[in-house]
Amino acid sequence: ETTLTQSPAFMSATPGDKVNISCKASQDIDDDMNWYQQKPGEAAIFIIQEAITLVPGTPPRFSGSGYGTDFTLTINNIESEDAAYYFCLQHDNFPLTFGQGTKLEIK
Amino acid sequence: QVQLQESGPGLVKPSQTLSLTCTVSGGSISGGDYYWSWIRQPAGKGLEYIGRIYTIGRTDYNPSLKSRVTISIDTSKNQFSLRLSSVTATDTAVYYCARGIISGGYYYGIDYWGQGTLVTVSS
Repeated sequence: ETTLTQSPAFMSATPGDKVNISCKASQDIDDDMNWYQQKPGEAAIFIIQEAITLVPGTPPRFSGSGYGTDFTLTINNIESEDAAYYFCLQHDNFPLTFGQGTKLEIK
Repeated sequence: QVQLQESGPGLVKPSQTLSLTCTVSGGSISGGDYYWSWIRQPAGKGLEYIGRIYTIGRTDYNPSLKSRVTISIDTSKNQFSLRLSSVTATDTAVYYCARGIISGGYYYGIDYWGQGTLVTVSS
């Protein structure tokens, strides 16, 4: 089973900031990494697929990078609506596993 | 737009069986290009993958829960279901249903999630 170590667990940002969220895999997972955004009481939204590809409808201020074991979700020019819980998922091997999540607060 | 909605009892007694149903709308559950999953998240903890089912009825279960889990599918109702037996307080969690993608024989990740439903195990 692949363990995903996501950091930080919590971060606070100001509108216009750039933030990075990291997800490190315990073994090589190629580019089989997805990122999701979830707001309280809502279904999670798929924002990044295969490590670097924006899901249609995802604002271009979001980007993903990485391959193998180290992955990053970057949000440029943060907006207040980006306040949410973000988590990573690996689908390289079964069972699918998840990062512990990052709560992003916008000041 | 595909939507998934979990339903079922919010309270289950210890040692009993937890049963949840996921209703899929906006698309057919019968298409062969998807797998249908259950995932849970205890309060303050990370997400845990429970298992998945394919349209043909084949299942894959997380080894950590395999002995207690059954996932089934009812294509006539566009639903799939989760049963978790012999529950304890550690099974208290928000339970999510979700859709995963299969393309060209390759398993991609999850593209749509339900909102989740809280199930509490308590007497």
